[in-house]
Amino acid sequence: NAGVTQTPKFRVLKTGQSMTLLCAQDMNHEYMYWYRQDPGMGLRLIHYSVGEGTTAKGEVPDGYNVSRLKKQNFLLGLESAAPSQTSVYFCASSHWGQGVDEQFFGPGTRLTVL
Amino acid sequence: GQNIDQPTEMTATEGAIVQINCTYQTSGFNGLFWYQQHAGEAPTFLSYNVLDGLEEKGRFSSFLSRSKGYSYLLLKELQMKDSASYLCAVIHIGGYQKVTFGTGTKLQVIP
Repeated sequence: NAGVTQTPKFRVLKTGQSMTLLCAQDMNHEYMYWYRQDPGMGLRLIHYSVGEGTTAKGEVPDGYNVSRLKKQNFLLGLESAAPSQTSVYFCASSHWGQGVDEQFFGPGTRLTVL
Repeated sequence: GQNIDQPTEMTATEGAIVQINCTYQTSGFNGLFWYQQHAGEAPTFLSYNVLDGLEEKGRFSSFLSRSKGYSYLLLKELQMKDSASYLCAVIHIGGYQKVTFGTGTKLQVIP
């Protein structure tokens, strides 16, 4: 099993450009999450999904959109990138209601917006 | 709201024991995770506590006191590879598995 994978690993954008980050998991998890991690700020939840076809806002959703058309995929979109969105983005997934339910993280996408 | 406090940095000697503390204030507490994150890598799960007491897993142990809003991660027989950030994360009761992460404690293990 590959676990949680993310595409791309690195990306440099100019202000105003758009892009989509792809997350895929092969563990049949119901829940999927997008976080950003900045120095001194910890992991902050952007959006999450509790199942195929559902999405919801997290702590810092402004400037981002998401879609979960298939259970195994969770896409994060930046419509008009800003320098404040320079960060490391982590996708995670988890079961629910099966005990410990820890979140499994992907390797991250390092995004720089110039 | 939620508030999680951990020391920013710690240094310990190879072979020693180190305790990383985490205090939290939250509504609807439903458990606590500890994650390890090496520089440039993703967080990986270490432990889970939902009831008061100590959970032991090899060289790592985690303790929880719900009444005090306090947890610690104990690392024994430190190895150089244990140099990493350790994230305390609180799970909240809700319609989904909402988890709030602390900012992490960067541990440096020195020879």
